[in-house]
Amino acid sequence: DAGITQSPRYKITETGRQVTLMCHQTWSHSYMFWYRQDLGHGLRLIYYSAAADITDKGEVPDGYVVSRSKTENFPLTLESATRSQTSVYFCASRAKPGQGTVAEAFFGQGTRLTVV
Amino acid sequence: GQSLEQPSEVTAVEGAIVQINCTYQTSGFYGLSWYQQHDGGAPTFLSYNALDGLEETGRFSSFLSRSDSYGYLLLQELQMKDSASYFCAVSLPLFSGGYNKLIFGAGTRLAVHP
Repeated sequence: DAGITQSPRYKITETGRQVTLMCHQTWSHSYMFWYRQDLGHGLRLIYYSAAADITDKGEVPDGYVVSRSKTENFPLTLESATRSQTSVYFCASRAKPGQGTVAEAFFGQGTRLTVV
Repeated sequence: GQSLEQPSEVTAVEGAIVQINCTYQTSGFYGLSWYQQHDGGAPTFLSYNALDGLEETGRFSSFLSRSDSYGYLLLQELQMKDSASYFCAVSLPLFSGGYNKLIFGAGTRLAVHP
């Protein structure tokens, strides 16, 4: 199916464990993003990527790691989960100029992560 | 740094018009976007202003004034289904060029009543 998909949709993990959230898009968009959403804070950018093997920190990168070996995948890893990382995580993708409608970012359905 | 300010909540009645403001303190951005998010759902794109002025898309319009560091989303003929959160976002330059780093405001929760 075309689109952007996240997995898992729901995850409960224990403090200190490593957990990876997956994101896959089928449009070959160059740009991909990870956001976390908490009440009162809106969407805060964790990491973003301009292309395969090109990533950079966003507003709240501490405690997270990303990789992008293939254009279509952009996994987010919590190296040692903490309770403060309990949140809803959204992955998004966007075309670059020349690829299509560049203004619009497309979001996955989100992963609700609970760290206990 | 960048910051975008929006009202936290707005209430309106069905059929009315509501304006959601977004003021920002950032420079060098490419454009202002608006996204809608229903409870439990993902944000979805509504509109984008690359230039100053008004953009109209059906019942929704968006406005940008760079000189005033201000934008707004205008929703007309409100319907119950418009009850959602609305986010403004700026597109900032990436280190590699182009415009694709999206920074969001905290969002405005719109409640539409009969």
